[in-house]
Amino acid sequence: EELVESGGGWVQSGGSLRLSCAASGFTFSIYSMNWVRQAPGKGLEWVSYISSSSSIIFYADSVKGRFTISRDNAKNSLYLQMNSLRVEDTAVYYCARDVSRCSSSTCYENWFDPWGQGTLVTVSS
Amino acid sequence: DIQMTQSPSSLSASVGDRVTITCRASQSVSNYLNWYQQKPGKAPKLLIYAASTLQSGVPSRFSGSGSGTDFTLTISSLQPDDFATYYCQQTYSSPPRTFGQGTKVDIK
Repeated sequence: EELVESGGGWVQSGGSLRLSCAASGFTFSIYSMNWVRQAPGKGLEWVSYISSSSSIIFYADSVKGRFTISRDNAKNSLYLQMNSLRVEDTAVYYCARDVSRCSSSTCYENWFDPWGQGTLVTVSS
Repeated sequence: DIQMTQSPSSLSASVGDRVTITCRASQSVSNYLNWYQQKPGKAPKLLIYAASTLQSGVPSRFSGSGSGTDFTLTISSLQPDDFATYYCQQTYSSPPRTFGQGTKVDIK
């Protein structure tokens, strides 16, 4: 089970980047996925969530209206389109699989596992 | 939004020490509480989920407890490989799936 991010790099403030996360070793299409970021020297910040069928999507307030999460289950891939980038978006971006404990049709606790190795996004003013 | 507060923010300990890290939620999260370990330059790794369930492959010296608003991660006998930053996370009320600010464990 592996997740590999790509697409990070350097961009000027106001610019755009598209991150990708390639999944392998598990049935990608049945899992919800997340993006989490970590600014240099800082803690973890959850960014966005997408359900397995893309029917449910959530964003952190800090990126709402600027970032778009999507997925292509046929390609086992997760994406994060980042527009109107700001200096404060500078971070390592991780994708992480959302795992739940489910019984019958009801799901309970959930957690993130595994995580990708991360891709660095640097936004310069 | 639910806020997660970890204490201490950092601690120094010796190999063999018993280490306890606390995570407090601003409102009840039931047992929807996870713990992750992160080493410098690496991705976070899941240690414990649902407050007290040890992830497969994680050494048994790690344990988690608590429910509601107060949770604890305990390392029964600190090993050299355990020097890292530890994060709690709630997934009870989401979005957002909030993380604590982290606790850095370093060598005394």
